[in-house]
Amino acid sequence: GAVVSQHPSWVICKSGTSVKIECRSLDFQATTMFWYRQFPKQSLMLMATSNEGSKATYEQGVEKDKFLINHASLTLSTLTVTSAHPEDSSFYICSASRGEGYTFGSGTRLTVV
Amino acid sequence: GDSVTQMEGPVTLSEEAFLTINCTYTATGYPSLFWYVQYPGEGLQLLLKATKADDKGSNKGFEATYRKETTSFHLEKGSVQVSDSAVYFCALSDRGNQFYFGTGTSLTVIP
Repeated sequence: GAVVSQHPSWVICKSGTSVKIECRSLDFQATTMFWYRQFPKQSLMLMATSNEGSKATYEQGVEKDKFLINHASLTLSTLTVTSAHPEDSSFYICSASRGEGYTFGSGTRLTVV
Repeated sequence: GDSVTQMEGPVTLSEEAFLTINCTYTATGYPSLFWYVQYPGEGLQLLLKATKADDKGSNKGFEATYRKETTSFHLEKGSVQVSDSAVYFCALSDRGNQFYFGTGTSLTVIP
């Protein structure tokens, strides 16, 4: 149990376009979902925390107008990278919580060309 | 604030060697401690965890003991295999349900 599906697993987009990444909890309802970003050879940095039905809470330094997070249901959260630029190229990972446990998605590698 | 300090890598070992990856933490409360593993091209997988002092987490031959007195959670394995090559992250989670990760340690095991 406790499976989190993240889609797509990799995406290449042109500079200036927007990309949506989905994070789904397949067999449980996730009250809270987290979005992380991982730069090459670095650790995961928390970008934002989203609770179902409310606005996401962004970490300091994360542009909320650039990284749009929607948590419309207890099983789905989306991260949209708007007007993507090469510096947004990174590995994005979501995590879903159902109280005590946390499950991570498999990640999305975004490359902006 | 809460934080995790992890041994820097990369680490290269021969097969069947003993592995230790050091991890220490700073926390105001009583966090849960985790080790996650990331294989090339994949996301994070939970390797093991411990939720209170003196607990030992273990999985796939890896072990780590929650040491409150030294604020440590070192990862060990007695005999590594080539398939253990990956990046290992130490992490803590506080009551606020937020994770704090170490910077990761890359392990390469050579035959």
